[in-house]
Amino acid sequence: DAGVIQSPRHEVTEMGQEVTLRCKPISGHDYLFWYRQTMMRGLELLIYFNNNVPIDDSGMPEDRFSAKMPNASFSTLKIQPSEPRDSAVYFCASSLIYHYGYTFGSGTRLTVV
Amino acid sequence: KQEVTQIPAALSVPEGENLVLNCSFTDSAIYNLQWFRQDPGKGLTSLLLIQSSQREQTSGRLNASLDKSSGRSTLYIAASQPGDSATYLCAVLHRSSSGNTGKLIFGQGTTLQVKP
Repeated sequence: DAGVIQSPRHEVTEMGQEVTLRCKPISGHDYLFWYRQTMMRGLELLIYFNNNVPIDDSGMPEDRFSAKMPNASFSTLKIQPSEPRDSAVYFCASSLIYHYGYTFGSGTRLTVV
Repeated sequence: KQEVTQIPAALSVPEGENLVLNCSFTDSAIYNLQWFRQDPGKGLTSLLLIQSSQREQTSGRLNASLDKSSGRSTLYIAASQPGDSATYLCAVLHRSSSGNTGKLIFGQGTTLQVKP
């Protein structure tokens, strides 16, 4: 199994631009999670899906952030418009059953200048 | 509100030493507790997962314990090696009030340096 795959690994964009981060979960995993990691706040849960349906998006910081999961093998996290304070590492994780272990992707390092 | 705290924030030890990393959480309503390792610029690697009904889990030189009633977990690393240098993160899967969902809530991590 290739694990959780995220793309791109690095993204540098200018303030105001739209950014789309992508994630392919492990095949067969029913749960998908988006996390953000910063030095100040550590790892924060943004949103998670169960069977492609968003369950809890209370961690999404603003309306500028949106996430979709059109099918079981693909999810996107979009920021529009991006701001410098969105600079962080964004992780995607998946789980077969949420109270079992989570497998994390390698992350996307986003820099907004 | 569930909060997870890890002490110390950083630790430096000579190679070969046994060491303990601490994690505490404020709400005992958890499904499980998971320890992760994160190397600089990399993702998270799961080390050990302890279900709420369990007391400990072992993998090689690693042993994790869980005392749910006191809200504490420890990660014991035996005979530390320079390759163990990384940030270790503790996370609890917090049980929601409805009981049928959960959120994985992380501590800030302990950065470990093992000197040759």
